[in-house]
Amino acid sequence: KAGVTQTPRYLIKTRGQQVTLSCSPISGHRSVSWYQQTPGQGLQFLFEYFSETQRNKGNFPGRFSGRQFSNSRSEMNVSTLELGDSALYLCASSQGHLLQETQYFGPGTRLLVL
Amino acid sequence: GENVEQHPSTLSVQEGDSAVIKCTYSDSASNYFPWYKQELGKRPQLIIDIRSNVGEKKDQRIAVTLNKTAKHFSLHITETQPEDSAVYFCAASLGGGGTSYGKLTFGQGTILTVHP
Repeated sequence: KAGVTQTPRYLIKTRGQQVTLSCSPISGHRSVSWYQQTPGQGLQFLFEYFSETQRNKGNFPGRFSGRQFSNSRSEMNVSTLELGDSALYLCASSQGHLLQETQYFGPGTRLLVL
Repeated sequence: GENVEQHPSTLSVQEGDSAVIKCTYSDSASNYFPWYKQELGKRPQLIIDIRSNVGEKKDQRIAVTLNKTAKHFSLHITETQPEDSAVYFCAASLGGGGTSYGKLTFGQGTILTVHP
């Protein structure tokens, strides 16, 4: 099976702009989780989607949002970008039926906010 | 919420030596503990995981041990090789629904360097 894919791989934006990142899970996986990775804060959970519904959300401001489509592909959006949003954004997919499933990560989208 | 602490932050060993990375977690309800390896510029990849009904799990040169009473778990790598050099992350996941879905809480990572 093909692995988790993310597009774009790199993005440069300026403060105040918005950005949309995309994640395609492994075929058959219905759960997609998003994480922000920074040198200072490490890997932090943003939110999780399953069957087009957000089931869980981390402690990030409302500027961070997401959605999931019927084919399980997921997007996350960050509005009104701040310098501190510069990070590697990772998504991970799993089947979504159990609570102790392995999460498989995509390669990430590296976002630089100037 | 859950908090995971990981030590050491950096670890340098000679090829062939063993490496041990330790993590502690705060929520006794956590019951799934994966370890990920992330090479520079690459995605995190699962190397081993353990569930709370198991005390130890081994896969070739890699083993993980879990002490539920003390709320800590450890990664053991034997006969280290230069290609083991990477950042290693531990994580914990709660077993219930609701705020547990899809959420892994990660440690801060350990930079492992294996010198030839």
